[in-house]
Amino acid sequence: NAGVTQTPKFRVLKTGQSMTLLCAQDMNHEYMYWYRQDPGMGLRLIHYSVGEGTTAKGEVPDGYNVSRLKKQNFLLGLESAAPSQTSVYFCASRNGPINEQFFGPGTRLTVL
Amino acid sequence: KQEVTQIPAALSVPEGENLVLNCSFTDSAIYNLQWFRQDPGKGLTSLLLIQSSQREQTSGRLNASLDKSSGRSTLYIAASQPGDSATYLCAAPQAGTALIFGKGTTLSVSS
Repeated sequence: NAGVTQTPKFRVLKTGQSMTLLCAQDMNHEYMYWYRQDPGMGLRLIHYSVGEGTTAKGEVPDGYNVSRLKKQNFLLGLESAAPSQTSVYFCASRNGPINEQFFGPGTRLTVL
Repeated sequence: KQEVTQIPAALSVPEGENLVLNCSFTDSAIYNLQWFRQDPGKGLTSLLLIQSSQREQTSGRLNASLDKSSGRSTLYIAASQPGDSATYLCAAPQAGTALIFGKGTTLSVSS
């Protein structure tokens, strides 16, 4: 049982490049989330999904897109990366009955 | 809108001391509250989850309490150890969707 995994762990992009971050969970959770963590700002919600095929905007969605084609995977895309998107990105999933969130190890992204 | 505040922002204690971390939230209509630990450069590890029907939850040397009426939660760490050094985050749900996080308390325990 791997829990929540994220790929890649580190990435450096140039301004304007695109990339996709992959989150996978093997706990059969319905809810999945993408957060970003920045110094002095704490963790902020980017997008979330309440089930396969659904997505919704969080607090800071601009510049990001997401997809949830399979229940176990939640993808976060950056179409045209900007230096302001330099951050650590965390994925999380939630078990319904207890509503406890579990986090992945994070992806450290630098945009030059 | 839910807002979560953690006090203090940083705390340094000698090994063996008991300590309390504080968390306050503005929307008391929560169904649970979660405490996490984050080591430098690492992800978040769930420590304790307190359901709204509970007042306390314990795991080893950790004890978390929840008082919805006052909008407060505390994390009590007994007999602190250098290995407890980390950032502790409190998070409360907003509108049944995602968690709203405090900015954390960075704890340093010296031997």
